[in-house]
Amino acid sequence: GNSVTQMEGPVTLSEEAFLTINCTYTATGYPSLFWYVQYPGEGLQLLLKATKADDKGSNKGFEATYRKETTSFHLEKGSVQVSDSAVYFCALKGSGGYQKVTFGTGTKLQVIP
Amino acid sequence: DAGVIQSPRHEVTEMGQEVTLRCKPISGHDYLFWYRQTMMRGLELLIYFNNNVPIDDSGMPEDRFSAKMPNASFSTLKIQPSEPRDSAVYFCASSEMDRDEKLFFGSGTQLSVL
Repeated sequence: GNSVTQMEGPVTLSEEAFLTINCTYTATGYPSLFWYVQYPGEGLQLLLKATKADDKGSNKGFEATYRKETTSFHLEKGSVQVSDSAVYFCALKGSGGYQKVTFGTGTKLQVIP
Repeated sequence: DAGVIQSPRHEVTEMGQEVTLRCKPISGHDYLFWYRQTMMRGLELLIYFNNNVPIDDSGMPEDRFSAKMPNASFSTLKIQPSEPRDSAVYFCASSEMDRDEKLFFGSGTQLSVL
């Protein structure tokens, strides 16, 4: 079945540091890929998505590129802020009519001033 | 739009009691999902509905769990009897999956079974 593997956290960075959170996936066909973010006490929110190979999703300074050859969708940001502290989830939805979205285990990011 | 609304926000109950979690999806969304989040297992899909019809309930842990969607604006997740291992955050999410693959999550229900 489909699965998502993302790097263990927590990740602690100083403000303005570069962020990478690794995500790889296993799926048949051509899944859609997502990054969701969860702030304390809240539900998940879509951060960005990509629906086909070589697509780049971007939002709020975050970027991720759909790499089919390496089955990866790594999240990056050039300069993190304290307000980016949250849990980040990589996710995929398989192609075809089945609508299940499979999530990774989440990576907690803490940004210190 | 008010977003996906879940109630209660917190529920503390004793083992053996019945628990009912409620969800109001975003108006016009035709898909509704119930997820459970724990430290050990992460975010697990329990069941999802399309146009009020359950499509996949393979994630429901056991017969103690049941979910219904009597109309397009309301869904319940019931646990009877509850057990301490059911303690988790339960999220409801809705979507127009066929048009836009984005999930909209509620704020969750924090369930503690003592």
